[in-house]
Amino acid sequence: DQQVKQNSPSLSVQEGRISILNCDYTNSMFDYFLWYKKYPAEGPTFLISISSIKDKNEDGRFTVFLNKSAKHLSLHIVPSQPGDSAVYFCAPPSAGSYQLTFGKGTKLSVIP
Amino acid sequence: DAGVIQSPRHEVTEMGQEVTLRCKPISGHNSLFWYRQTMMRGLELLIYFNNNVPIDDSGMPEDRFSAKMPNASFSTLKIQPSEPRDSAVYFCASTLGNTQYFGPGTRLTVL
Repeated sequence: DQQVKQNSPSLSVQEGRISILNCDYTNSMFDYFLWYKKYPAEGPTFLISISSIKDKNEDGRFTVFLNKSAKHLSLHIVPSQPGDSAVYFCAPPSAGSYQLTFGKGTKLSVIP
Repeated sequence: DAGVIQSPRHEVTEMGQEVTLRCKPISGHNSLFWYRQTMMRGLELLIYFNNNVPIDDSGMPEDRFSAKMPNASFSTLKIQPSEPRDSAVYFCASTLGNTQYFGPGTRLTVL
């Protein structure tokens, strides 16, 4: 049973445009969400997070939106840059622990 | 800080051999996680430790896999005997709070 779903395995976007990566979850106990970014041959690195008490968190070119009623998250990158090409994972911690549940990831390709 | 350190970065071994993967977490972090990444299953949590004590090992695939954390600065993941289906990238991560910091991974190939 996949508690975290990233239904788009890949996404291609032109440089300068907006990239939107989506994540759906089923566990209503998740109260904090993290996005990780992964380059080939490297470990995932933390990108941005959002608490369930907020519906938006912004950090530079990266904004995460949370719709709790729909159990849906989205990560917006604007403007997209070629260096943003990576795999992006949505990963909420389980309630009461630091154990992360990772989605399958979305591979973003930003075309120059 | 050097971040999470894993060794070796690459390991090629033959089926039936014992494999030991090593991890040094970030100093001061009290939780350590072992993950496996494959094309088919993505990133899977194998086991995690809190204050050197194994908390949840339900992700360990079978008895051939074992993990230890003898002290706060070192952990091992052992596979004995190894099988070709164990080929994957194995990541170690550590945390003091919600954000986990990952090592660069060990790419294991079992022939």
